[in-house]
Amino acid sequence: DAGVIQSPRHEVTEMGQEVTLRCKPISGHNSLFWYRQTMMRGLELLIYFNNNVPIDDSGMPEDRFSAKMPNASFSTLKIQPSEPRDSAVYFCASSFGGAENQPQHFGDGTRLSIL
Amino acid sequence: KQEVTQIPAALSVPEGENLVLNCSFTDSAIYNLQWFRQDPGKGLTSLLLIQSSQREQTSGRLNASLDKSSGRSTLYIAASQPGDSATYLCAVYNFNKFYFGSGTKLNVKP
Repeated sequence: DAGVIQSPRHEVTEMGQEVTLRCKPISGHNSLFWYRQTMMRGLELLIYFNNNVPIDDSGMPEDRFSAKMPNASFSTLKIQPSEPRDSAVYFCASSFGGAENQPQHFGDGTRLSIL
Repeated sequence: KQEVTQIPAALSVPEGENLVLNCSFTDSAIYNLQWFRQDPGKGLTSLLLIQSSQREQTSGRLNASLDKSSGRSTLYIAASQPGDSATYLCAVYNFNKFYFGSGTKLNVKP
């Protein structure tokens, strides 16, 4: 059974460029989460979708960040323009049902470096 | 704002030892608490999820307890093995938000 699939696994780009991270949740899961992990701030929830609708995006750091979920099997996280402080590992996770009572399944992350 | 603390930050034990990892949180109004494991370069793997109405959950050699009133959870690992070496994180969920601890890095020596 395929897990959560994220692409790319690694991304290195220059400051000011647009970055798009992609996520395919586990088939049948209807909740999707984007996280960011850094040494300084640990793991932070950026946005939470349920049935393709954003439920809470209060963790999105700035207007430079945007996330979409056009259908149940695909989501993107976009940073435009990117800055060096956006360098982090970005994780996508999915769960069956809401976050109240179902465990999350994480992808292996995208390691993003902004030069 | 909810704050989640994990102590110790790192732990090294010989194989076979039983051990306890600690997690504390400041706001007892939670829906659930989860324990995760993270291996280097990988995402998180959910180990146990405890609902706010539950006191403990067990899976194999793992047992997690929850005392909501005191804002504490423990993860008990029995008969530790080198394969248990990883970083263990706890997370609480309330009001559409997850709050993670910074983790305990566990090293089980053969």
